[in-house]
Amino acid sequence: AQTVTQSQPEMSVQEAETVTLSCTYDTSESNYYLFWYKQPPSRQMILVIRQEAYKQQNATENRFSVNFQKAAKSFSLKISDSQLGDTAMYFCAFMMYSGGGADGLTFGKGTHLIIQP
Amino acid sequence: ETGVTQTPRHLVMGMTNKKSLKCEQHLGHNAMYWYKQSAKKPLELMFVYNFKEQTENNSVPSRFSPECPNSSHLFLHLHTLQPEDSALYLCASSQGGGRFTEQFFGPGTRLTVL
Repeated sequence: AQTVTQSQPEMSVQEAETVTLSCTYDTSESNYYLFWYKQPPSRQMILVIRQEAYKQQNATENRFSVNFQKAAKSFSLKISDSQLGDTAMYFCAFMMYSGGGADGLTFGKGTHLIIQP
Repeated sequence: ETGVTQTPRHLVMGMTNKKSLKCEQHLGHNAMYWYKQSAKKPLELMFVYNFKEQTENNSVPSRFSPECPNSSHLFLHLHTLQPEDSALYLCASSQGGGRFTEQFFGPGTRLTVL
């Protein structure tokens, strides 16, 4: 079974600062995906960024980037130039890819990120 | 309607009631999922359906009964629930059928069991 660990229950930074959220995972699988999802207060879970395990290059999406260290089983999220709208719960998630295209996600407990004005 | 919708958004029920949660996706996907989000535990996968067939049941108690009549609709039938079943129930969908896409989530149903 896979496990995902987010060791930072809450983080708070000033607007425009850079913040890094940590995530580690444990798996014996070789073919998998990793994700960061964002859940704003009372709003829907949305995908921030994803990383395919077979890709060595770290994924980036505008202000969001990841540091994927496969050997260390680490998958951190960096948010640059943080904005007030980035305030949310952030979940790291793991998905084993079986080829059927319908595999469930294993989530960490989440990090509550607060961006202060 | 766009994306993934869930009804009702809030539900309060007694332990002896029977109720159902509904999820509908308007994305043309073939895989649908139920997740449970409770206050003190990580999001937990409950069920997976791929082309209307249940492909995963994550050891969920039988008081939760899923139903997937077609690729666009997913239900979660609830009966004789316990107070510890109070949680946010999230539905998600993805392409399925061997093609990977991200999972798109609905807004959830906030369930309170009295």
